[in-house]
Amino acid sequence: EAGVAQSPRYKIIEKRQSVAFWCNPISGHATLYWYQQILGQGPKLLIQFQNNGVVDDSQLPKDRFSAERLKGVDSTLKIQPAKLEDSAVYLCASSRLGRGQGYTFGSGTRLTVV
Amino acid sequence: SQQGEEDPQALSIQEGENATMNCSYKTSINNLQWYRQNSGRGLVHLILIRSNEREKHSGRLRVTLDTSKKSSSLLITASRAADTASYFCATDANNDMRFGAGTRLTVKP
Repeated sequence: EAGVAQSPRYKIIEKRQSVAFWCNPISGHATLYWYQQILGQGPKLLIQFQNNGVVDDSQLPKDRFSAERLKGVDSTLKIQPAKLEDSAVYLCASSRLGRGQGYTFGSGTRLTVV
Repeated sequence: SQQGEEDPQALSIQEGENATMNCSYKTSINNLQWYRQNSGRGLVHLILIRSNEREKHSGRLRVTLDTSKKSSSLLITASRAADTASYFCATDANNDMRFGAGTRLTVKP
């Protein structure tokens, strides 16, 4: 099966600009996750979708971050306006519905805010 | 916030040696998973162990889980240079997956 697709691969923006990331999960995977991974740290969950509904967005900085998964398939994550501390790799992952499933991760988008 | 904590933070060994990484966590879990991340790439799922299991094997990987001590270990036997990567444990509690900061493993040829 095809993997989780993410784009772009890299993005450099100036602070206060906006940016959007795209993710297409594995076909049939109902659950989709966005993680933020700062250099030297483990991934931190930003938001979890199940189909097109939000399950957990408790760690999403909602004043500047937003995400949607309109048709329950692909998803976009947006940052507006970006701050220097948003420099990180943004990882998308998907899994089949239910617990006890390993996640499949995309290659990530490396964001640098200057 | 992150749930698991890996130990050590970094590990350097020679090819052919075994590598052991440990993970401690704080709350009750449904399962614990180990992932590998090569530099600049996404995470790859290695193995999942459920809370009612004590040990699991997959190829050269051996994972143990001690729920009474809230700890897990990952053993890689007969390591290879290609095993050089960061290894993360992730705890799944009520479908909420949290990752530790990882162990950076370097295997010297």
